[in-house]
Amino acid sequence: DAGVTQSPTHLIKTRGQQVTLRCSPKSGHDTVSWYQQALGQGPQFIFQYYEEEERQRGNFPDRFSGHQFPNYSSELNVNALLLGDSALYLCASSLGGTQPQHFGDGTRLSIL
Amino acid sequence: AQKVTQAQTEISVVEKEDVTLDCVYETRDTTYYLFWYKQPPSGELVFLIRRNSFDEQNEISGRYSWNFQKSTSSFNFTITASQVVDSAVYFCALSESSGGSYIPTFGRGTSLIVHP
Repeated sequence: DAGVTQSPTHLIKTRGQQVTLRCSPKSGHDTVSWYQQALGQGPQFIFQYYEEEERQRGNFPDRFSGHQFPNYSSELNVNALLLGDSALYLCASSLGGTQPQHFGDGTRLSIL
Repeated sequence: AQKVTQAQTEISVVEKEDVTLDCVYETRDTTYYLFWYKQPPSGELVFLIRRNSFDEQNEISGRYSWNFQKSTSSFNFTITASQVVDSAVYFCALSESSGGSYIPTFGRGTSLIVHP
């Protein structure tokens, strides 16, 4: 039973570029959430997707957008990358919004 | 607003010592959940426990135990007889219901280093 899988593992981009991160939820899960974790900090909630719709959003600018597909997998897109976007991006899945979330290993994004 | 404070940035112990990680939270809701997650160097957040606000019973799972006290808004985590494999960053998190979904707010984490 595969857990939450994220790709790629590492990514290096330059300022102003755009990036897409991908997530496949744990089997049986229908809800996907994305978090940004800066070095030495706890994860910060970006947004949550359920039934292909953004259900909740944290305090992140519109440069951060996402999508959920019919198979429940999800993408996180970040436009006009800034140096401050360098972080570990974590995807978490759950069954509905009330069950504990299971996290992937994350994508480490470095902006030069 | 909700807030989670993990005052201990880093704890260093020798194997077999007991260690307690502190977590203090703030919320105005009467219904909420508290969590502990473990983050090893690989990066994945590993779910350890979830507690709802109506259940103050302490819980023990092997070498792990949790003490939830609403009177002091604390949800502390104790590892008994620590092992090198326990070395990781531990996060406490709080979530209130928002639009039917519980989104956890994480503390800044406590880095636990267990020396052999």
